[in-house]
Amino acid sequence: AQSVTQLGSHVSVSEGALVLLRCNYSSSVPPYLFWYVQYPNQGLQLLLKYTSAATLVKGINGFEAEFKKSETSFHLTKPSAHMSDAAEYFCAVSVNFGNEKLTFGTGTRLTIIP
Amino acid sequence: ETGVTQSPTHLIKTRGQQVTLRCSSQSGHNTVSWYQQALGQGPQFIFQYYREEENGRGNFPPRFSGLQFPNYSSELNVNALELDDSALYLCASRDTSGSSTDTQYFGPGTRLTVL
Repeated sequence: AQSVTQLGSHVSVSEGALVLLRCNYSSSVPPYLFWYVQYPNQGLQLLLKYTSAATLVKGINGFEAEFKKSETSFHLTKPSAHMSDAAEYFCAVSVNFGNEKLTFGTGTRLTIIP
Repeated sequence: ETGVTQSPTHLIKTRGQQVTLRCSSQSGHNTVSWYQQALGQGPQFIFQYYREEENGRGNFPPRFSGLQFPNYSSELNVNALELDDSALYLCASRDTSGSSTDTQYFGPGTRLTVL
């Protein structure tokens, strides 16, 4: 079985500051890892995914994440926060790439301070 | 715009009733998954359908059932509604016959409230 833990249900950063959202995973087999963003009253949008091709994954909107097997982590970062980044962010894990049945974390709400 | 639509947007039911939620996927998307997202929680996998057959199920009771149709639409049915079924229900679809870089696309969800 696999699981995901997101540390910090709420994160606040100033506009222009570094964004760091933490995700640790547990999986008995090599995992596939994902970050999704959810804006109010909307579905989930994929930011990026790790599929074992490269440990540093670049996504949309300037986000990136690094897979660290030794730390079982897949933290999401963005060098400079924008007001439009305010949303809920979910980390998810799957053990089947061609057949994604995702296990999600509980989410981190990101607030941007003007 | 993901090309995945869901209806209705909002729905209010009472305990014990039955409900049907609908999802319309992009043409060619032969796999559809349903997720339940309770307030303040991450989505939980309910089940997946591939070419109109159930292809995996999460930890949900049999009163949660589904159908997938040849026209790339699908349904989630919930019988004997309970208060804890109140949640946002998301469907996600993908084309598993294409490139391995394809991913699943989520619809905007249906907000179900059970009173």
